[in-house]
Amino acid sequence: DGGITQSPKYLFRKEGQNVTLSCEQNLNHDAMYWYRQDPGQGLRLIYYSQIVNDFQKGDIAEGYSVSREKKESFPLTVTSAQKNPTAFYLCASSIWGKENYGYTFGSGTRLTVV
Amino acid sequence: RKEVEQDPGPFNVPEGATVAFNCTYSNSASQSFFWYRQDCRKEPKLLMSVYSSGNEDGRFTAQLNRASQYISLLIRDSKLSDSATYLCVVVRPGFKTIFGAGTRLFVKA
Repeated sequence: DGGITQSPKYLFRKEGQNVTLSCEQNLNHDAMYWYRQDPGQGLRLIYYSQIVNDFQKGDIAEGYSVSREKKESFPLTVTSAQKNPTAFYLCASSIWGKENYGYTFGSGTRLTVV
Repeated sequence: RKEVEQDPGPFNVPEGATVAFNCTYSNSASQSFFWYRQDCRKEPKLLMSVYSSGNEDGRFTAQLNRASQYISLLIRDSKLSDSATYLCVVVRPGFKTIFGAGTRLFVKA
């Protein structure tokens, strides 16, 4: 079955440490997205990518980095520059230009700073 | 003012009740509209698109009012399993997708 796989499900980060969240899709979607969700807030866009080897900053890109070396994969690195990284991170994909079909989301990674 | 606004709730309703949620959006050029459902600590899942003429999917009815810039979701004959957070989603020109913060629904036995 096609879908999006995020790993790990839970991740604990120490202060000053970089961590990478994995996102893989087999839907053949062009576009991939990373969102952050905090309690009581809507999803906020971190980065998105329309095609391989290209990505754009979203609304809250500071302290994060991404790569898009393969169509299927869009990993997110949370760097030590992100001062408040504890949140629920969601990866999504869609057919670019067909957002009227909606997004498919992965099951999310819950990141906690310890 | 947020671009997409929803009443956070919670809405507490008994099984079998009819409940309606509204969502307002500020960008009049918005072009696509959706309702997503998010269960506690899970990812959002597409519930239904919202079309200009209104659309229905079983117990769920979605409406769009472009003049007043709001969309609505009506749930009839509520089930315990309908308990979730309902996210209003708006796509504006340039394919920028904006998520509302969600409305929480609790259906009680």
